[in-house]
Amino acid sequence: GQQLNQSPQSMFIQEGEDVSMNCTSSSIFNTWLWYKQEPGEGPVLLIALYKAGELTSNGRLTAQFGITRKDSFLNISASIPSDVGIYFCPTSSNTGKLIFGQGTTLQVKP
Amino acid sequence: DTGVSQDPRHKITKRGQNVTFRCDPISEHNRLYWYRQTLGQGPEFLTYFQNEAQLEKSRLLSDRFSAERPKGSFSTLEIQRTEQGDSAMYLCASSPSWGGGPYEQYFGPGTRLTVT
Repeated sequence: GQQLNQSPQSMFIQEGEDVSMNCTSSSIFNTWLWYKQEPGEGPVLLIALYKAGELTSNGRLTAQFGITRKDSFLNISASIPSDVGIYFCPTSSNTGKLIFGQGTTLQVKP
Repeated sequence: DTGVSQDPRHKITKRGQNVTFRCDPISEHNRLYWYRQTLGQGPEFLTYFQNEAQLEKSRLLSDRFSAERPKGSFSTLEIQRTEQGDSAMYLCASSPSWGGGPYEQYFGPGTRLTVT
């Protein structure tokens, strides 16, 4: 079956630092999404990637879809306390259902 | 607020009772998804609707679970004879089927179910 690996599993950084996290898969995908989830809330869509090699920014967030279509990374520049949460990078089946990994938990120390 | 809404936000029930959750999607979205999330895990797909048609169901959706979307707008998820293993966050998401397509799903705040 499809396996989606996120790394690191957790990060504890100082406010102002840049953050990088990534996702890898054993399968090729046509879509890669990045979501952030805060405690007790649903995931919020951050960035959607559709083309191999695509690089997309959303404010301080930048994500890239790997050339092989088997990986993606998310960078957060100049982290702030409200960046705290769990970051997911689901991929999508042909029917649109999202397949999630276990997420990367980010904690930011003020 | 025109986002996805879910009701109730929290539900505590005793084992063996039936519970029903409601999801109101973004109004122009014709696709609606249900996911379940347990502590420390990512959401897991349960089922999805395009308009009123239920097009896919996960093997996670046992016979005790049923979902409906009778008029292609809001949806309900019912769990009969709840078990402690049903305790989880139940998330609803919606998406359009055009443009970025079904992939850009917008989630509601979830319903936290606790079975005692």
